[in-house]
Amino acid sequence: GAVVSQHPSRVICKSGTSVKIECRSLDFQATTMFWYRQFPKQSLMLMATSNEGSKATYEQGVEKDKFLINHASLTLSTLTVTSAHPEDSSFYICSAREGRPQSEQYFGPGTRLTVT
Amino acid sequence: AQSVSQHNHHVILSEAASLELGCNYSYGGTVNLFWYVQYPGQHLQLLLKYFSGDPLVKGIKGFEAEFIKSKFSFNLRKPSVQWSDTAEYFCAVYNTNAGKSTFGDGTTLTVKP
Repeated sequence: GAVVSQHPSRVICKSGTSVKIECRSLDFQATTMFWYRQFPKQSLMLMATSNEGSKATYEQGVEKDKFLINHASLTLSTLTVTSAHPEDSSFYICSAREGRPQSEQYFGPGTRLTVT
Repeated sequence: AQSVSQHNHHVILSEAASLELGCNYSYGGTVNLFWYVQYPGQHLQLLLKYFSGDPLVKGIKGFEAEFIKSKFSFNLRKPSVQWSDTAEYFCAVYNTNAGKSTFGDGTTLTVKP
């Protein structure tokens, strides 16, 4: 099956710094990529949807200037958490989908971000 | 706005018991339906999916789900659970118009050996 990778799997950073998370589709072209946030024992909360070459569409309540998303190619999307704060600590999951109809979403393994 | 409701937050079963997890969604347009499983410490994996055709779909590990359009439901079933089925289960609805998925809150399944 299709594989989506994320890097890094875990990152610890200090308050005020920025962190970049990469999401790659390894064996297919991801027309659309999604970024989710998952709190412990809770569901996935969609943060934004990005289509290759276009600006990301953010969900209500998600600060686009804080969570910068770039989908520069059909196999790579990045999420940059700028000026991170402890409340940004969470599990971030990316997902990728091909452009064809009836395509499913493939999920990455997630990135655990801890802001100290 | 589209919403997905999973009725059971935590289900505890003994091995060999039958399982049914409820999932209802609110959107009336064209949707694709999915069930995902997240085993402890692992990432989301697809159990099964429905796009069109036969409303009874079979997935991996003996799971199946039935799409009932009139009830906006997509319940997950397994006739006989195993201890290894202990995990978090998520129902998801992909809105083809909006181009994005909405997830239910998840159901934690604990299977006692």
